[in-house]
Amino acid sequence: AQTVTQSQPEMSVQEAETVTLSCTYDTSESDYYLFWYKQPPSRQMILVIRQEAYKQQNATENRFSVNFQKAAKSFSLKISDSQLGDAAMYFCAYRSAQAGGTSYGKLTFGQGTILTVHP
Amino acid sequence: ETGVTQTPRHLVMGMTNKKSLKCEQHLGHNAMYWYKQSAKKPLELMFVYNFKEQTENNSVPSRFSPECPNSSHLFLHLHTLQPEDSALYLCASSQDGSGGQETQYFGPGTRLLVL
Repeated sequence: AQTVTQSQPEMSVQEAETVTLSCTYDTSESDYYLFWYKQPPSRQMILVIRQEAYKQQNATENRFSVNFQKAAKSFSLKISDSQLGDAAMYFCAYRSAQAGGTSYGKLTFGQGTILTVHP
Repeated sequence: ETGVTQTPRHLVMGMTNKKSLKCEQHLGHNAMYWYKQSAKKPLELMFVYNFKEQTENNSVPSRFSPECPNSSHLFLHLHTLQPEDSALYLCASSQDGSGGQETQYFGPGTRLLVL
């Protein structure tokens, strides 16, 4: 079974600064997807960024980028120029891409990291 | 309405009540999911429906009963719940099988309190 670990229960950053959230995962599969979701106080789970395991290039979405290290099974999220609206709980998630497998379709989530942004 | 909607947003029920949670997706997706989010625990997958067929039941107690009448609607019927079932219940949908479009999109959740 796959597991996802976020070792930072809480992080804080000054507005306009950069912060990196850590995520590691364990899997025996070679084909999968990784995601970062953001859950603000409204509780709506919002997709931040996704990465396909077969792609070597790190995904980027505006101020959000990832450092995907497949061999190390590491998937960190970097938030540049942090804004007050970035304050939320951030979840790392794993999904198998192997069609027909028993775990296909399942999103496995980490425990989450609470990010506080200070003005 | 756009995206994934859930009703009600908040629900308080007694242990002997019967209630239902509703989820509707307006994205043309073919797969829908129920997740449970309890305090201080990772999100737990409860059920998966793909093309209206249940493909996953993650050892969920029978007091939770899902229903998927079509690919746009998903229900979670609740009966004789326990206080430990109090949680945020999240619905999600995705378009599976189209090569790279399997991202799950979430609704706003239903905050359930069982007294």
